[in-house]
Amino acid sequence: DAGVIQSPRHEVTEMGQEVTLRCKPISGHNSLFWYRQTMMRGLELLIYFNNNVPIDDSGMPEDRFSAKMPNASFSTLKIQPSEPRDSAVYFCASSLVYGYTFGSGTRLTVV
Amino acid sequence: AQSVTQLGSHVSVSEGALVLLRCNYSSSVPPYLFWYVQYPNQGLQLLLKYTTGATLVKGINGFEAEFKKSETSFHLTKPSAHMSDAAEYFCAVSPAGDTDKLIFGTGTRLQVFP
Repeated sequence: DAGVIQSPRHEVTEMGQEVTLRCKPISGHNSLFWYRQTMMRGLELLIYFNNNVPIDDSGMPEDRFSAKMPNASFSTLKIQPSEPRDSAVYFCASSLVYGYTFGSGTRLTVV
Repeated sequence: AQSVTQLGSHVSVSEGALVLLRCNYSSSVPPYLFWYVQYPNQGLQLLLKYTTGATLVKGINGFEAEFKKSETSFHLTKPSAHMSDAAEYFCAVSPAGDTDKLIFGTGTRLQVFP
């Protein structure tokens, strides 16, 4: 089992550009979560899906953020347009009944 | 709303000393509780979890935690610290009735000195 796979590991982009983060959950896991980690705010839950359906997106900061899960093996988190304050580490995690497994994260830097 | 409070953003111990990381939760019903560890530049890894049953939970790397309902606490302990235990530790709670969603505390950075 390769675990939760996130890409890219690092992303540097200019303010105003579109950024897409990708996640492949563990096969068989039915829940997928996107978290953002910063020094100031710690770990924040942005959105989570259950059986590919968005359940709670109350943590999505604003309309510039969107997430999709078109099938059980793939999810994206998109930021358009990106801003410097979006700089953070973005984690994807998948779960099957309280068995969270985190990916290694994507470190996003918006300059 | 359910939440967790981790007392002490930084804890320092000597190698071989007892490790105690504190976590208190707020919940109107018995929650599910978790401890995760994060090493530099890595994702979070589950150390242990309490759902139901025995209140003393043993996890990986010699860590354990005890659920104390009367104190609304779930402190993490390890009898003897090792240099490799240096990392950030997160306590998390699962809101009742909201399967799988986890709310994390702000984390405690553990330093281990030789």
